[in-house]
Amino acid sequence: EPEVTQTPSHQVTQMGQEVILRCVPISNHLYFYWYRQILGQKVEFLVSFYNNEISEKSEIFDDQFSVERPDGSNFTLKIRSTKLEDSAMYFCASSDEGDSYEQYFGPGTRLTVT
Amino acid sequence: QKEVEQNSGPLSVPEGAIASLNCTYSDRGSQSFFWYRQYSGKSPELIMSIYSNGDKEDGRFTAQLNKASQYVSLLIRDSQPSDSATYLCAAEGNGDSGYALNFGKGTSLLVTP
Repeated sequence: EPEVTQTPSHQVTQMGQEVILRCVPISNHLYFYWYRQILGQKVEFLVSFYNNEISEKSEIFDDQFSVERPDGSNFTLKIRSTKLEDSAMYFCASSDEGDSYEQYFGPGTRLTVT
Repeated sequence: QKEVEQNSGPLSVPEGAIASLNCTYSDRGSQSFFWYRQYSGKSPELIMSIYSNGDKEDGRFTAQLNKASQYVSLLIRDSQPSDSATYLCAAEGNGDSGYALNFGKGTSLLVTP
């Protein structure tokens, strides 16, 4: 069964460093998303991406964040200068135009900023 | 502020019983609703989606939607210890606002043997 994959599973970085989180969405999906979940809190939407451009972003997704689809399979989230409060689980999700845009989540990347 | 509200629980039910999980949402523009299961330390796993008023059944799961009351529920029949997890309710906006999911904080379910 097709699934969303994410790498790395755990990333430790120092405050102020840049990190890139990688995702491979389900191959025939057209919509891609990033969400985050701070420990003990709810899952929060960051950004959606369709047709090679951002279609929607939340207030959390400020100028420190960017997304890119560098090739036909990968979807990346870059955080330019990490802060302690960026420590969270980051989930990638994808959906297609059928099944009313059901979103399937990857296993997540745990980002720890020290 | 668009909110999705869930009772945090924990909801404890004995094995074999029916677990009933509830969710309310504030955005009347939301068209689609989803239930996800999340085990501790894992990612959300899609259980069911529902778009129309009424009931939708899939195996042991039944989702119910009442748009007039802005209420969504999930029933789990014949609950098993493996169903013990946090259940997340999510509302999706219409196409005009994108397809971002707005999640509730989740209800913790404990199924006791």
